[in-house]
Amino acid sequence: AQSVTQLDSQVPVFEEAPVELRCNYSSSVSVYLFWYVQYPNQGLQLLLKYLSGSTLVKGINGFEAEFNKSQTSFHLRKPSVHISDTAEYFCAVSPTGGFKTIFGAGTRLFVKA
Amino acid sequence: EAGVAQSPRYKIIEKRQSVAFWCNPISGHATLYWYQQILGQGPKLLIQFQNNGVVDDSQLPKDRFSAERLKGVDSTLKIQPAKLEDSAVYLCASSLAILAGENTDTQYFGPGTRLTVL
Repeated sequence: AQSVTQLDSQVPVFEEAPVELRCNYSSSVSVYLFWYVQYPNQGLQLLLKYLSGSTLVKGINGFEAEFNKSQTSFHLRKPSVHISDTAEYFCAVSPTGGFKTIFGAGTRLFVKA
Repeated sequence: EAGVAQSPRYKIIEKRQSVAFWCNPISGHATLYWYQQILGQGPKLLIQFQNNGVVDDSQLPKDRFSAERLKGVDSTLKIQPAKLEDSAVYLCASSLAILAGENTDTQYFGPGTRLTVL
C-alpha cells in the first residue's frame, strides 16, 4: 500500500519570496509522483509529474519538483511566488503496475503582499 | 476543448435521503474517476472506470454508494441513503486511458459537487 504525507498544512509566504512545499511518500513498490493545484472554487489541475528519467521535473507556472528516492520525497519549489499562486497544493502517488492514485491531505499556500 | 462537466454544483439533503451526481468527461477520455474530498483532506478515490468497466472500486461503500458508466461516456454516482459523514465535495476526473495498466496519464478534474447532509 502507498501513503502520502504533506508535512505542512499551511504555508504563508510573502510575494516574490521562494517557497518549498514538502511531500514524503511510503511505498513497497516504485511509484509515479504528481503535484496538483486547486485554485479557489476550481477543480484540481496538474502542475507536474515524475514518471522516469531526470529527477528534477519542471512544471507549469514556474514550479519544479525533485524526486529523491533515498529520502522518498518529492518536494515542490518555486523561486519567486506571486499572489496568484495562492491555492491548495496536493501531492499524489500512483504505484507502477497499479491503478490507484493516492493523494496527500494538501498544503494551503497563502501568498501575502 | 471543453473540460469535465459536473452537476449539480451544490446539493443539500437530509440524512437518509438519496442523491445523484452526474459527470460528463472530456471527449475521447476512456478513464473516468470519482473522488470524495472531505474538508481538510485530499481526494479519496471511490471508483475508477476504463470505458464502461470498473477498474477499481475497493474504497466505494457499496452498501450505500453506486456508480455506473453505461455507454462508456458520462457517469452517475448515487448515494442511498445518505449519512452525515457523506458531506464532502465529490470530484469527477477523466484521463485519456490507462496505459499498460498504470495510472501515468494526467487526470483532468471537474469543479466538483459540494454535498451537505443535514
